[in-house]
Amino acid sequence: GAVVSQHPSWVICKSGTSVKIECRSLDFQATTMFWYRQFPKQSLMLMATSNEGSKATYEQGVEKDKFLINHASLTLSTLTVTSAHPEDSSFYICSARETRSNEQFFGPGTRLTVL
Amino acid sequence: QKEVEQDPGPLSVPEGAIVSLNCTYSNSAFQYFMWYRQYSRKGPELLMYTYSSGNKEDGRFTAQVDKSSKYISLFIRDSQPSDSATYLCAFGNAGKSTFGDGTTLTVKP
Repeated sequence: GAVVSQHPSWVICKSGTSVKIECRSLDFQATTMFWYRQFPKQSLMLMATSNEGSKATYEQGVEKDKFLINHASLTLSTLTVTSAHPEDSSFYICSARETRSNEQFFGPGTRLTVL
Repeated sequence: QKEVEQDPGPLSVPEGAIVSLNCTYSNSAFQYFMWYRQYSRKGPELLMYTYSSGNKEDGRFTAQVDKSSKYISLFIRDSQPSDSATYLCAFGNAGKSTFGDGTTLTVKP
């Protein structure tokens, strides 16, 4: 299957700082990428859908000014958690939908811990 | 009513058993059907992907879709301890996927 990478795989930061997470589709083009959040032993919660070259669409309850998403190319989307707080600590997972087949492939996830 | 209902589990089976994982859905607009496997602290891995009713086989895994009854199943034959993970069903439509809550499977040696 296609490969999606995420960087970093884990990050620890101080409260009030901003953290950027990158999501790349390595061997395919992805017009659409998705950002999810997952708490321990819970399912994926879709945060936002990002389309290359346009503004992201955020799910209800997700603050767009706090979770900044940029999808500048067909292989890269970034999620920036601004002014992070301990309650933002979670596992963030991106996925990319392969343009031709519509198959959706996930990255390995980024574990964010805010102290 | 949730759009997707997944058998909650957890499931615990002996090595070599046949495992059946099931999901029902209510949205007739879903066009494609997927199963993902997620190991602890890892991103989900796409196992099976299909558009149509019927069975699709890949090694020890068989995905079954019944659009008329609105359910999908994943069968795992000759289950192995390495199959221990959480399995997520997913349904796609109009560029968006809807996920089940997951079923945690443990295969005991």
